[in-house]
Amino acid sequence: GNSVTQMEGPVTLSEEAFLTINCTYTATGYPSLFWYVQYPGEGLQLLLKATKADDKGSNKGFEATYRKETTSFHLEKGSVQVSDSAVYFCALMGGFQKLVFGTGTRLLVSP
Amino acid sequence: DGGITQSPKYLFRKEGQNVTLSCEQNLNHDAMYWYRQDPGQGLRLIYYSQIVNDFQKGDIAEGYSVSREKKESFPLTVTSAQKNPTAFYLCANSLNIGRAFNQPQHFGDGTRLSIL
Repeated sequence: GNSVTQMEGPVTLSEEAFLTINCTYTATGYPSLFWYVQYPGEGLQLLLKATKADDKGSNKGFEATYRKETTSFHLEKGSVQVSDSAVYFCALMGGFQKLVFGTGTRLLVSP
Repeated sequence: DGGITQSPKYLFRKEGQNVTLSCEQNLNHDAMYWYRQDPGQGLRLIYYSQIVNDFQKGDIAEGYSVSREKKESFPLTVTSAQKNPTAFYLCANSLNIGRAFNQPQHFGDGTRLSIL
């Protein structure tokens, strides 16, 4: 079946550091891939998406490239801010619009 | 966001009681979903509905029930059969697959359910 594996957190960085959160997936066919972000006490917000191989999703300085050859969709940001502290979820969409989520990675950014 | 309103934000249940969580949307999206979130486990799908008067079980439907009598509403009932109901519940919506393939899901702010 479909599954998503994310790096375990927390990821602890200083402000302006480079961020990478690893995400790999297992799926049949050609799923769409998503990154969602969850701030404390809130629901999930869509951060970015990619629907086919080699697509790059980007938003608010975050980027992720759909790599079919390595079945990966790693999230990157060149310079993190304290306000980026949150939990980040990688997800894939397979058949029937069903999302499969990773377990989430908590990011903590200190001033 | 997907114009989703969940209420209440916090809910407490006594042992043996059923409770209903509300989810309303105002964007006329066809598909709606309920997820459960536990610490360190990501989100798991409980039920989903693609059209009015139709819904399907997700991965962890036991102990839950839903209805979809109106397009804008998809309430979730946590029954007394759910032995471990304490969790954060999230409702989501999206355009239906028939009209927009691979559309992302948009989430409400969630309801936190606790057992007294």
